[in-house]
Amino acid sequence: NAGVTQTPKFRILKIGQSMTLQCTQDMNHNYMYWYRQDPGMGLKLIYYSVGAGITDKGEVPNGYNVSRSTTEDFPLRLELAAPSQTSVYFCASSRLAGADNEQFFGPGTRLTVL
Amino acid sequence: LAKTTQPISMDSYEGQEVNITCSHNNIATNDYITWYQQFPSQGPRFIIQGYKTKVTNEVASLFIPADRKSSTLSLPRVSLSDTAVYYCLVGDAYTDKLIFGTGTRLQVFP
Repeated sequence: NAGVTQTPKFRILKIGQSMTLQCTQDMNHNYMYWYRQDPGMGLKLIYYSVGAGITDKGEVPNGYNVSRSTTEDFPLRLELAAPSQTSVYFCASSRLAGADNEQFFGPGTRLTVL
Repeated sequence: LAKTTQPISMDSYEGQEVNITCSHNNIATNDYITWYQQFPSQGPRFIIQGYKTKVTNEVASLFIPADRKSSTLSLPRVSLSDTAVYYCLVGDAYTDKLIFGTGTRLQVFP
């Protein structure tokens, strides 16, 4: 199993541009998450999904959109990129929620907005 | 979701036991305590999870006192490869969300 994969690994955007960060998991997990991590800080939850067709906002959803058309994929869309969105983005998945919600993380996408 | 407080950083030497304590005074009855490890330029990795007393796995031990207002992650005989950031999280047994704090940066010296 590849686990959780993310593409691209690095990206530089200009202010106002848009892009989609891709996330795929091959563990048949129902739950998927998007986090951002600013330098020296912990992770902040952007959006999460409890299954195909179901998404919900996390702590910092403004400026982002998600969709979940399949169990495997959970893309994160940035519209009108801003310098404040410069960060490392991690996608994660888990089989269950709550007490047994061990999350498996991808390698991250490092995004710079100039 | 309960807020956690942990030391910003800790130093240790190879072969020593390291104990990282996390405070979670507002922990609720349904909350579990989970610890993650993060190496530079990588996503966090699950270490251990517990509800009360003591939990041990091949990597670490987790000690939780009766009042559950704190917990201690114990790493036996650390090596240089244990240098990482360690996050303590408290999550409701029924929630889908995890709240990460700033974590504890552990530096292991030779």
